[in-house]
Amino acid sequence: DTGVSQDPRHKITKRGQNVTFRCDPISEHNRLYWYRQTLGQGPEFLTYFQNEAQLEKSRLLSDRFSAERPKGSFSTLEIQRTEQGDSAMYLCASSLGEAGKDGYTFGSGTRLTVV
Amino acid sequence: KQEVTQIPAALSVPEGENLVLNCSFTDSAIYNLQWFRQDPGKGLTSLLLIQSSQREQTSGRLNASLDKSSGRSTLYIAASQPGDSATYLCAGRSSGGSYIPTFGRGTSLIVHP
Repeated sequence: DTGVSQDPRHKITKRGQNVTFRCDPISEHNRLYWYRQTLGQGPEFLTYFQNEAQLEKSRLLSDRFSAERPKGSFSTLEIQRTEQGDSAMYLCASSLGEAGKDGYTFGSGTRLTVV
Repeated sequence: KQEVTQIPAALSVPEGENLVLNCSFTDSAIYNLQWFRQDPGKGLTSLLLIQSSQREQTSGRLNASLDKSSGRSTLYIAASQPGDSATYLCAGRSSGGSYIPTFGRGTSLIVHP
């Protein structure tokens, strides 16, 4: 296991379409986080899971967004009825426990462009 | 809620200079603080992680310090190289409440030959 994997790397979609992203965390990490990053900004928290339980959601996560981690391993982030404002880099991170010893490990991100 | 500020927003230096990037946070009850590097269009690469009980961490030409009382962390880069050009982000996580690290906006660094 070499790190956090995200798929796809890039996604271009038309406004109104649904998109789904996948994140595979480091296998022994029980916590998984989704962030969104727009140009020139730092990553903004969207939601996080401990095992399969979604424990916290940001107000940024509108009802068009849904995230799952059904078996406590990989996670998916779905955006329904995409809007141009959804264009951003979507980053996934994982950690073991409270990230005390090893901190957070991020994936390479999925770049979403809504046209 | 932890709030993180990074100064300067952008920095351009000639190769070989020693430089300091600043990160300020509002909640002194910080659990840990992590510095990341981000190349254009890429994900985040962890550079250094400082626990609340530590004052600094070093890795090669990088040194990060943590001063909880003043709510500041600095990233020191010695003998900068063009390959250091990237955006540097810090993220702090508070001890209580949420387990979520909060990021600053980053410092965009250009090291020119």
